[in-house]
Amino acid sequence: GAVVSQHPSRVICKSGTSVKIECRSLDFQATTMFWYRQFPKQSLMLMATSNEGSKATYEQGVEKDKFLINHASLTLSTLTVTSAHPEDSSFYICSASTTGMGSPLHFGNGTRLTVT
Amino acid sequence: DQQVKQNSPSLSVQEGRISILNCDYTNSMFDYFLWYKKYPAEGPTFLISISSIKDKNEDGRFTVFLNKSAKHLSLHIVPSQPGDSAVYFCAASGETSGSRLTFGEGTQLTVNP
Repeated sequence: GAVVSQHPSRVICKSGTSVKIECRSLDFQATTMFWYRQFPKQSLMLMATSNEGSKATYEQGVEKDKFLINHASLTLSTLTVTSAHPEDSSFYICSASTTGMGSPLHFGNGTRLTVT
Repeated sequence: DQQVKQNSPSLSVQEGRISILNCDYTNSMFDYFLWYKKYPAEGPTFLISISSIKDKNEDGRFTVFLNKSAKHLSLHIVPSQPGDSAVYFCAASGETSGSRLTFGEGTQLTVNP
């Protein structure tokens, strides 16, 4: 089946530094990738949608200058958390879509970010 | 505004019995629904889906029922197995959202041996 690889799985950083998370589709071309955030015991909240070669579309309330998304190729999207603060500590998950509406999304294994 | 709601945060059943997980939605534009299973520190895994043109879809031990008039769907797992213990998320998509999914809060299922 389709595989989405997310790296790193876990990262601890100091407040004020930036962290980059990579999301790769290993065996298919992902024209669209999605970035989600999950707080403990809560739902997955969509942060942004990225289409290859164009600017990401951010959900309301998500700071685009803080969460930089790059989708430079059909197999790679990156999320950079800039000037991280403790409140950015969360579980970040990417997903990728292979076809149009209604196709099941394939998810990465997530990245646990802890900002100290 | 929580458009997809899973009102039961947890559910506990005995091995071999049926597990029924429920999900309600408010947005009438949703017309494709999915269930995902998630273990701690992992991404969700797709289980089963249903289009709004159907009211039932079955795949092995998993059956999803959709009641459009009530804006309600449910996932039935029978027989339940201890390995089914996980968080189950209901998700919905509409014709204007492409693959953009709206998730419910999740239900922690525990299947006791």
